[in-house]
Amino acid sequence: AQSVTQLGSHVSVSEGALVLLRCNYSSSVPPYLFWYVQYPNQGLQLLLKYTTGATLVKGINGFEAEFKKSETSFHLTKPSAHMSDAAEYFCAVTRNTGGFKTIFGAGTRLFVKA
Amino acid sequence: EPEVTQTPSHQVTQMGQEVILRCVPISNHLYFYWYRQILGQKVEFLVSFYNNEISEKSEIFDDQFSVERPDGSNFTLKIRSTKLEDSAMYFCASNGGGIYNEQFFGPGTRLTVL
Repeated sequence: AQSVTQLGSHVSVSEGALVLLRCNYSSSVPPYLFWYVQYPNQGLQLLLKYTTGATLVKGINGFEAEFKKSETSFHLTKPSAHMSDAAEYFCAVTRNTGGFKTIFGAGTRLFVKA
Repeated sequence: EPEVTQTPSHQVTQMGQEVILRCVPISNHLYFYWYRQILGQKVEFLVSFYNNEISEKSEIFDDQFSVERPDGSNFTLKIRSTKLEDSAMYFCASNGGGIYNEQFFGPGTRLTVL
C-alpha cells in the first residue's frame, strides 16, 4: 500500500524565518515524490519533484526538499519565509505498478506572520 | 503558455441528476487524471487515463463515475446520479512524457449537489 503523511495540518512562521514542512511516505516500489502548492481558489502548482539522481532537489520560489530513503521522508524547506508563501502545501507520491496513481498527503497550511 | 482548462467553473445540480465535467488538457499530453477535493480536505485521486483507457481508479470511482476522451482534446468526468457527498472541487490534470513528470492542474470545477 502507498500512503503520504504530512505532519502538522497548520504551520505558522514569521517572515524571514525558516520554513520546514514535513512529509513521510510509504511505498512498496521506488517512488516519484512531489510537492505542490495551492493558493486560495486555485489549482495545484508544482514546486519541485524527485524522481532519480540527486537527493536534494531545488524548486521554484526558493524551496527545496531532500529525499531520504532511510527515513522515508521528503521534507520541504525554505531558508526565509515570505508573506507570499502563505498557502496550502501538498506532498504527493506517484507510483507505477501496472497502473499509475498519485496519492496526496492531507496538506499543510502555511501561515506567515509579519 | 499552455494550460489545462475546465468548464464549468461552478456547477449546481439536484441530487440524482447526471453531471458532466469537462476538461481540455494540454494538447501534447498523454496522461490524464481526475481528482476531487472536498472543502477543507485533502486532494483525492479518482482516476488516471492513458491510451484511451483507464489506467487506475480509486475506491471512490465507483459505477456512478465514468471518464471519456471523446474527441482527442476533451477529457470528461461523468457522474451518473449525483449524491450530496459528491459536492466537492474537481480537478483535472495532465502530463506528458511520463508519469514522473509534473502534472498540470486545471483551475477546478466546484460541484454543488443540493
